[in-house]
Amino acid sequence: KAGVTQTPRYLIKTRGQQVTLSCSPISGHRSVSWYQQTPGQGLQFLFEYFSETQRNKGNFPGRFSGRQFSNSRSEMNVSTLELGDSALYLCASSPGADEQYFGPGTRLTVT
Amino acid sequence: GENVEQHPSTLSVQEGDSAVIKCTYSDSASNYFPWYKQELGKGPQLIIDIRSNVGEKKDQRIAVTLNKTAKHFSLHITETQPEDSAVYFCAAMPGGSYIPTFGRGTSLIVHP
Repeated sequence: KAGVTQTPRYLIKTRGQQVTLSCSPISGHRSVSWYQQTPGQGLQFLFEYFSETQRNKGNFPGRFSGRQFSNSRSEMNVSTLELGDSALYLCASSPGADEQYFGPGTRLTVT
Repeated sequence: GENVEQHPSTLSVQEGDSAVIKCTYSDSASNYFPWYKQELGKGPQLIIDIRSNVGEKKDQRIAVTLNKTAKHFSLHITETQPEDSAVYFCAAMPGGSYIPTFGRGTSLIVHP
């Protein structure tokens, strides 16, 4: 089976802009979670989608949003970018239980 | 909420030695404990996991132990090889929550 894929792999944006990241889960996996990874804060949970519904949400401001499509692909959006949003954004898919399989991530740099 | 502490933050060993990474958690409701390996430029890879109804699990050179009473779990890597060099993360997840809390990571360096 193909693994989790994320696009784009690298992105450079300017403060105030918005960005959309994409994630394609492992075939058959219905749950997709998003994480932010930074050297200072480590791995932090953003949100989780299952069957097109947001099932769980972490402690991030409303500028961070996401959605899941009927084919389980997911997107996350960050509006009004801040310098502190620079991070590696990771997507993980799960068959619906607790095991999570991560993609390679999207490296976002905000200047 | 859950809090996971991971030690040490850096671990340097010689090839062939064993490596042990320890984590503690705070939420007694946590019942799933995965370990991830993250190599430079890649996403975390699930390498082994353990559930709270099991005390120990092995997979070739890696093993994980869980002490529910003390709320700690450990990763053991035997006969380390240079390709084991990476950052290792532990995590704890309460049953049915689908939200893992991660430790801060251990950078393992295996010297040839």
